[in-house]
Amino acid sequence: NAGVTQTPKFQVLKTGQSMTLQCAQDMNHEYMSWYRQDPGMGLRLIHYSVGAGITDQGEVPNGYNVSRSTTEDFPLRLLSAAPSQTSVYFCASSPWGVGETQYFGPGTRLLVL
Amino acid sequence: SQQGEEDPQALSIQEGENATMNCSYKTSINNLQWYRQNSGRGLVHLILIRSNEREKHSGRLRVTLDTSKKSSSLLITASRAADTASYFCATDAGADGLTFGKGTHLIIQP
Repeated sequence: NAGVTQTPKFQVLKTGQSMTLQCAQDMNHEYMSWYRQDPGMGLRLIHYSVGAGITDQGEVPNGYNVSRSTTEDFPLRLLSAAPSQTSVYFCASSPWGVGETQYFGPGTRLLVL
Repeated sequence: SQQGEEDPQALSIQEGENATMNCSYKTSINNLQWYRQNSGRGLVHLILIRSNEREKHSGRLRVTLDTSKKSSSLLITASRAADTASYFCATDAGADGLTFGKGTHLIIQP
C-alpha cells in the first residue's frame, strides 16, 4: 500500500491564483481530513470528510473548498490564494473517524507571494 | 483553538538518557494521541491512550494520562539519535478533528 499520498510536494503561487492540492489514500479509509501547519502553531483542521459525498468545515475553513466524490480522493482547493495561506498542508485518513490512529501524508509546502 | 500544550518547547539530551515531555489540555477528551514529526516530513502516530486508561507502553515509549489534571506525559527511554524529532500531542474531544499542541522539539546529542 502507498498509504496517503499528496501532490505536489512544493508549490509557489501568486496572490489571487487558484490551485488544487491532491490527496489520495489506498487503504479504503472512510475518514479524511486536511490540516495546515504554521510555525509555532501546531496543526489546525481545515476540512474533513466522514465518507464519499460528505464534507464539513473544521477550525480554519475560509478560503478553502473540498469535495469527496470517491473514497480514495480528497482534494483541497484554494480559490484565490493569499499570503496568509503560506503554510504546510497535511492530509490524513483513518478507517472511520477522528478517535483512532490518523495516517498522514508527507505534506505539501505552499508559498504564496 | 489550541487544546493541547506541550512542555517543554525544546529539549536537548544525551544519547542513552530518557526524555520526558508533557501535554496539558483544557476540556474533557475521549482520547489523546502522540505523534512524531521528523524535519520536513509528515506526522507518524506513536500511541493512543483512551480517557479510561492511565498508562500505556509501546517499545521504548511510555504514555501516562491524568484526566483529573488534564495532562499527559510521553517518556522515551534509552534515547537514540533517530529519536530527534518534534513530538505532538493531539486530543479528541468529540469534535470534528484532532486538536494539536505546538509540539516539543527533541534533540538527541550523540
